[in-house]
Amino acid sequence: TQLLEQSPQFLSIQEGENLTVYCNSSSVFSSLQWYRQEPGEGPVLLVTVVTGGEVKKLKRLTFQFGDARKDSSLHITAAQPGDTGLYLCAGADGGSQGNLIFGKGTKLSVKP
Amino acid sequence: DTEVTQTPKHLVMGMTNKKSLKCEQHMGHRAMYWYKQKAKKPPELMFVYSYEKLSINESVPSRFSPECPNSSLLNLHLHALQPEDSALYLCASSQVRNRGNTEAFFGQGTRLTVV
Repeated sequence: TQLLEQSPQFLSIQEGENLTVYCNSSSVFSSLQWYRQEPGEGPVLLVTVVTGGEVKKLKRLTFQFGDARKDSSLHITAAQPGDTGLYLCAGADGGSQGNLIFGKGTKLSVKP
Repeated sequence: DTEVTQTPKHLVMGMTNKKSLKCEQHMGHRAMYWYKQKAKKPPELMFVYSYEKLSINESVPSRFSPECPNSSLLNLHLHALQPEDSALYLCASSQVRNRGNTEAFFGQGTRLTVV
């Protein structure tokens, strides 16, 4: 059974601070997605990483896929209150159906 | 257009009611999914349709009955639900690929309350 361990589970920081969220597994994933979810809403896709070692940037967010495609990280620079939300990593197992295996999420709160 | 549309957004139903959740996408995706999400938990996969055929049923009770009338629509029929079935129900779609990138796009969800 493939599992994704996400850490930390909760993170409360002040506006302007930097933070990193980690997503780790003992399994190899064909791709990995990061989502942000607001309460009562569906997850919104932020980025997909496919190649081992890949780094993608989305404004103040930097996503990295591990060389072995078993882990990923999300780094936010100069966090803002608008970054508050639940961040979920999800790995695709490469099957034709493209099943997604979700981490348990990181609940981020950025205080002004 | 990267939108997945779910209706209704909120639903309250009694344990003897029959209701349906609806999901629609026009991205040409041939894989569609139903997920269930309880509070403070990640989404849990319920069903996967691939090319309008049910390909995965994650041991979901028969009181949940999925239907894929065509490549753009996905329904979830509900009957005789229990209060513990109250949750956010999410629909998602993606392209079908043999390997590699699978980007799933989610709808806004239906908040279901069973009374």
